[in-house]
Amino acid sequence: DAEITQSPRHKITETGRQVTLACHQTWNHNNMFWYRQDLGHGLRLIHYSYGVQDTNKGEVSDGYSVSRSNTEDLPLTLESAASSQTSVYFCASSDLHGNTGELFFGEGSRLTVL
Amino acid sequence: AQRVTQPEKLLSVFKGAPVELKCNYSYSGSPELFWYVQYSRQRLQLLLRHISRESIKGFTADLNKGETSFHLKKPFAQEEDSAMYYCALTSLYPMDSNYQLIWGAGTKLIIKP
Repeated sequence: DAEITQSPRHKITETGRQVTLACHQTWNHNNMFWYRQDLGHGLRLIHYSYGVQDTNKGEVSDGYSVSRSNTEDLPLTLESAASSQTSVYFCASSDLHGNTGELFFGEGSRLTVL
Repeated sequence: AQRVTQPEKLLSVFKGAPVELKCNYSYSGSPELFWYVQYSRQRLQLLLRHISRESIKGFTADLNKGETSFHLKKPFAQEEDSAMYYCALTSLYPMDSNYQLIWGAGTKLIIKP
C-alpha cells in the first residue's frame, strides 16, 4: 500500500545543531508539505513543494529549509536548531489534480531542542 | 484576510449527547471546506469535505455561505470520537493561487463516559 513515512519519530538535540527530518511518500504525489503543530496554533505551514526542484516558503519558514530532488522525498533541515523549534512536525502529500485539497499525513516527528 | 476560526480550544460532552464543533471562515473566493481528525497516537486524516456531502462516522457538516460557517455535528457522541479536530479550507478551483490549505487552530473534543 502507498504511504508516507517520517523519520526519526522522536529526536532530542541541542541548540545550534543541524537537524534533518526525513519524509518519504510512495503515493507518487506531486505536492508535499511540512507543517509544525503547536498547542494554540494548530498546523502552521513551514515549506511546500509542487514538484521536483520546486520549493516554496510557508508562513513560518525562518530557520528551516527543504529540497526536492525527486518525487518521493522532501527532507526538512533545521540549519541551527533553536528552542523555539521544539514541536511536532508533520509531513503531508497530495495529488492536486486527482484529489483537490485532501492531504495524506505522516505520523509526525517530535523534536525537542534543549 | 483569509482565515479559519475554531472558537473552542476544548469541548467536553457526555457520551450520548449531541456534539457541535464550530468552524467559521473568511475567504474571498469559492471555498472548499474540510474537517480533519487526529485520534490519539494516530496520524491526521480527512474526516469529511463539504463537496462530498457524506456522513462519516455519524458526523455531518453543512456549508452555510451566509454565515460563513462549516460546523461539524453529531447527534449522539461516542467515546471513540474523542480526538483533535481541525477545520480547513482551500480554493474550490485547484489552479487558483490560493490553493493552499488554511487551517483552524483545532478543537480538542473529549467525550466523557
